[in-house]
Amino acid sequence: QAVLTQPSSLSASPGASASLTCTLRSGINVGTYTIYWYQQKPGSPPQYLLNYKSDSERHQGSGVPSRFSGSKDASANAGILLISGLQSEDEADYYCMICHSSAWVFGGGTKLTVL
Amino acid sequence: EVQLVESGGGLVQPGGSLRLSCAASGFTFSNNWMSWVRQAPGKGLEWVANIRQDGNDKYYVDSVRGRFTISRDNAKSSLYLQMNSLRAEDTAVYYCARHASGELDYWGRGTLVTVSS
Repeated sequence: QAVLTQPSSLSASPGASASLTCTLRSGINVGTYTIYWYQQKPGSPPQYLLNYKSDSERHQGSGVPSRFSGSKDASANAGILLISGLQSEDEADYYCMICHSSAWVFGGGTKLTVL
Repeated sequence: EVQLVESGGGLVQPGGSLRLSCAASGFTFSNNWMSWVRQAPGKGLEWVANIRQDGNDKYYVDSVRGRFTISRDNAKSSLYLQMNSLRAEDTAVYYCARHASGELDYWGRGTLVTVSS
């Protein structure tokens, strides 16, 4: 079982909100990890968006709009990237990442379609 | 302006070797951990290795440990990845990235490594 699991795809309408999940493998407690989120558009390297550990331990990347935010769902053992007021330019691949046992691990990525 | 520029990619036969370089500028290179991250064609991101500021602490993903070696030259503001015993599954775009606190806040544009006979 992968350390981080993301849904492969998600579709949402312009102006709506999209909630992208990153589920940690059973036995790895989301509460102890900082979840990092990246956006990647075709032909470009990934760009750092934000990280979230708790409401008091969070960081927004430089220039990243506030409509991108992070949270956790402890009951689902998952990190969440919420994108509100979706715009066509938000169509991209989104990856989560954690540091687990001295190694950095990425989720498989979610392709977000805005239509 | 922070810039990371990778070089050294290309076509190599299975079992062969390649050395990637990453030239950093626009920041004090010796202040940051650095990582290599790869992306196979049409696939997701995979962290490969990282190295501490002084070069004395290094970590690798299991699939490359013993075959790849990460290193750095702070005097030249450069990061390296020596790749030996290359396999078809190592085919990917290799990105150099800077760690801020934990996050990878700056990425290069990548260099393509193709392992094929």
